[in-house]
Amino acid sequence: GAVVSQHPSWVICKSGTSVKIECRSLDFQATTMFWYRQFPKQSLMLMATSNEGSKATYEQGVEKDKFLINHASLTLSTLTVTSAHPEDSSFYICSARDDGRSEHVDTQYFGPGTRLTVL
Amino acid sequence: DAKTTQPTSMDCAEGRAANLPCNHSTISGNEYVYWYRQIHSQGPQYIIHGLKNNETNEMASLIITEDRKSSTLILPHATLRDTAVYYCIALNTGGFKTIFGAGTRLFVKA
Repeated sequence: GAVVSQHPSWVICKSGTSVKIECRSLDFQATTMFWYRQFPKQSLMLMATSNEGSKATYEQGVEKDKFLINHASLTLSTLTVTSAHPEDSSFYICSARDDGRSEHVDTQYFGPGTRLTVL
Repeated sequence: DAKTTQPTSMDCAEGRAANLPCNHSTISGNEYVYWYRQIHSQGPQYIIHGLKNNETNEMASLIITEDRKSSTLILPHATLRDTAVYYCIALNTGGFKTIFGAGTRLFVKA
């Protein structure tokens, strides 16, 4: 149990195009999901908190118009990188917080990550 | 959420116990201690969490000091596949965002 999937696992795109990354909780509901970015040899950096049915909350310095987040259901959140540029190349990781299972309520489970390369 | 401090790196011999310390001296009463690990190029994996009592699951044991200012994650029989970065996080339930520090890079050697 407690599986989070991401799609795609890797993507290469041209500069100026937009890329959508999906994050799904497969066997639990998640009112809250999180999006992180990780550069080589660095720790995960929180980008935004995504709440089902409401607007995402972005961390300081993260452009909300560039990184569009939609959390339309209790099992799906999407991150769209708009007008991507080479400096957006990174490893993007989502996590979902378990709403319900008693001993693990509030525990976050992470997806496998999506590696974005912008040419 | 309380700040945590971990050693930058540690080595462990395969088959031996790996003991990873974490200092969280400013932890508050309602903050849990969570441990995750990240194997290269993968998403973080949940290991274990606890509040006051020691905890054990199929992956590891978590020992929390009585004053809750520090904890130790124990991998009882480390294997090469346990080589990863281990993150200790103090987190308020119902709460909130998980902020990652630098973690401890554990090298398990044959």
